[in-house]
Amino acid sequence: DQQVKQNSPSLSVQEGRISILNCDYTNSMFDYFLWYKKYPAEGPTFLISISSIKDKNEDGRFTVFLNKSAKHLSLHIVPSQPGDSAVYFCAAIDSGGGADGLTFGKGTHLIIQP
Amino acid sequence: NAGVTQTPKFQVLKTGQSMTLQCAQDMNHNSMYWYRQDPGMGLRLIYYSASEGTTDKGEVPNGYNVSRLNKREFSLRLESAAPSQTSVYFCASSDQNSPYEQYFGPGTRLTVT
Repeated sequence: DQQVKQNSPSLSVQEGRISILNCDYTNSMFDYFLWYKKYPAEGPTFLISISSIKDKNEDGRFTVFLNKSAKHLSLHIVPSQPGDSAVYFCAAIDSGGGADGLTFGKGTHLIIQP
Repeated sequence: NAGVTQTPKFQVLKTGQSMTLQCAQDMNHNSMYWYRQDPGMGLRLIYYSASEGTTDKGEVPNGYNVSRLNKREFSLRLESAAPSQTSVYFCASSDQNSPYEQYFGPGTRLTVT
């Protein structure tokens, strides 16, 4: 049973426009959420995170929104740039669960069109 | 400052062979992790080590063993490789002050024939 779901395997966006990547989760014990970015043949790199006590976190062009009642979070990238083309993974953790490992979604491949 | 390094980058094994994947970090992090990523899947946790001398199972530990050799190094061993273990393996580490922000190595692509 997948606890973190990214239902769009791929997303194509024009350069300069907004990219919106979505993520849903089923485990109500998750209380910390992260987005990672991955280029081919490289490891994932941390992008931005949000605690369940917040509903928004912003870092430059990247904003993550959390809707706890809907168990949904989204990553907004504005404006989108060619270097943003990558696979984006949503991840979550239950900080009181005793294990430090993250639960990842399957990823969304973002393609920025020139 | 190399971050998290993994060796080898690529490996092909025959069914039944054994091998050890090496991981080292130079960020003085307490926690280290091993994940696997299969095509079309997210990363899944195999084992983790919250501190030197401790290791714990993750979501998919069967067929693997780990050793936290010291604070820097965390190795993953396949005693008898199976085709189902064909995957890309990522090692990661995190600092105790930001335990959920994990830093990943470049990965080891393993094929078991």
